[in-house]
Amino acid sequence: DTGVSQNPRHKITKRGQNVTFRCDPISEHNRLYWYRQTLGQGPEFLTYFQNEAQLEKSRLLSDRFSAERPKGSFSTLEIQRTEQGDSAMYLCASSLGTGRGGYTFGSGTRLTVV
Amino acid sequence: GESVGLHLPTLSVQEGDNSIINCAYSNSASDYFIWYKQESGKGPQFIIDIRSNMDKRQGQRVTVLLNKTVKHLSLQIAATQPGDSAVYFCAENRAGNTPLVFGKGTRLSVIA
Repeated sequence: DTGVSQNPRHKITKRGQNVTFRCDPISEHNRLYWYRQTLGQGPEFLTYFQNEAQLEKSRLLSDRFSAERPKGSFSTLEIQRTEQGDSAMYLCASSLGTGRGGYTFGSGTRLTVV
Repeated sequence: GESVGLHLPTLSVQEGDNSIINCAYSNSASDYFIWYKQESGKGPQFIIDIRSNMDKRQGQRVTVLLNKTVKHLSLQIAATQPGDSAVYFCAENRAGNTPLVFGKGTRLSVIA
């Protein structure tokens, strides 16, 4: 297992377009998290899954954002009708159980909305 | 409001010196804390963690201190090396199934 994998690494899109990011967690990890990070800030929680169930969503996750983890393995995060304010690094992490012992993060997908 | 934050946004140290990065938290219900290191273009990397029933934990060249009385967390790096240059975040986990909450981060610059 090579850790948490995120694709694409970079995405440039025009305002109003839809984008989708993928995260492949560590295979034995049952929890998967999405965070957003802007320059100079710490990661901000968006949502997380336990297996295929989405257990919590942040208020940051507007109606334009949707996340899925259909088979309890990989996850996708879709942003519809992108806005310039969506430009950020989108980080995925996974953990075994509640994450006591830490989350393992991927390298992120950097989104630029022009 | 409840928050996880840092006293110093930037820290410059000479190679070989010890570094101390500080973090304040305000939620007394937090019972687990982690320090992460983030290098440019990469995701956060786990360094060391500590539970609230401890006040000190040591790893390889790193020590985390927890002072629950004043709700303060620190990361000490011994013999700082150029490879330690990065942004360091503290994160807290409140009891139960709540996700990690991160502070804003401190940039550590090591001067050779």
